[in-house]
Amino acid sequence: DGGITQSPKYLFRKEGQNVTLSCEQNLNHDAMYWYRQDPGQGLRLIYYSQIVNDFQKGDIAEGYSVSREKKESFPLTVTSAQKNPTAFYLCASSEIGSANEKLFFGSGTQLSVL
Amino acid sequence: AQSVTQPDIHITVSEGASLELRCNYSYGATPYLFWYVQSPGQGLQLLLKYFSGDTLVQGIKGFEAEFKRSQSSFNLRKPSVHWSDAAEYFCAVGAPNTGNQFYFGTGTSLTVIP
Repeated sequence: DGGITQSPKYLFRKEGQNVTLSCEQNLNHDAMYWYRQDPGQGLRLIYYSQIVNDFQKGDIAEGYSVSREKKESFPLTVTSAQKNPTAFYLCASSEIGSANEKLFFGSGTQLSVL
Repeated sequence: AQSVTQPDIHITVSEGASLELRCNYSYGATPYLFWYVQSPGQGLQLLLKYFSGDTLVQGIKGFEAEFKRSQSSFNLRKPSVHWSDAAEYFCAVGAPNTGNQFYFGTGTSLTVIP
């Protein structure tokens, strides 16, 4: 079945530690996205990528980094510079083109600070 | 700037009653409009979308939404709610000329009373 796989489901970070969240898609979508979800704040865009080896900052990119070395993979690193990393992180992908621009989501990663 | 407003943070309805979730958007042209549903600890699932044409769109699970340009609204409706509809609902705007970005409202939490 085609879809988006996020791992791990739960992740714990120690102070000063970088952690990486995995996102893989087999939908052959060009665009991929990372969103952060906090209670009562909806989804906020961290980074997005429309093509391999290229990505753009979203609204809350500080303290995060990404890479897009392969079309199907878009890992997110939460660095030690992100002082409030506890949140639910959602990866999504989309085709590019008017009738097909809709987001498909993974099942999310809950990141907590120890 | 693009924005999405969902004025109702939480709604409670009785099973079998009708439902309307409100969504207003701000965008310079006609955007792509979406409704997503999220169960606890899960990703988001697309309910329906509006790109162009008929302003009343049908989605999955018996949901429908109506695009009203004059009111900048895209309200979600269901004639008879089922207990399994209890979830978080998000309205979103797709703004193609901003690089394929999507903007989300803060969500409406739906509780269904038996």
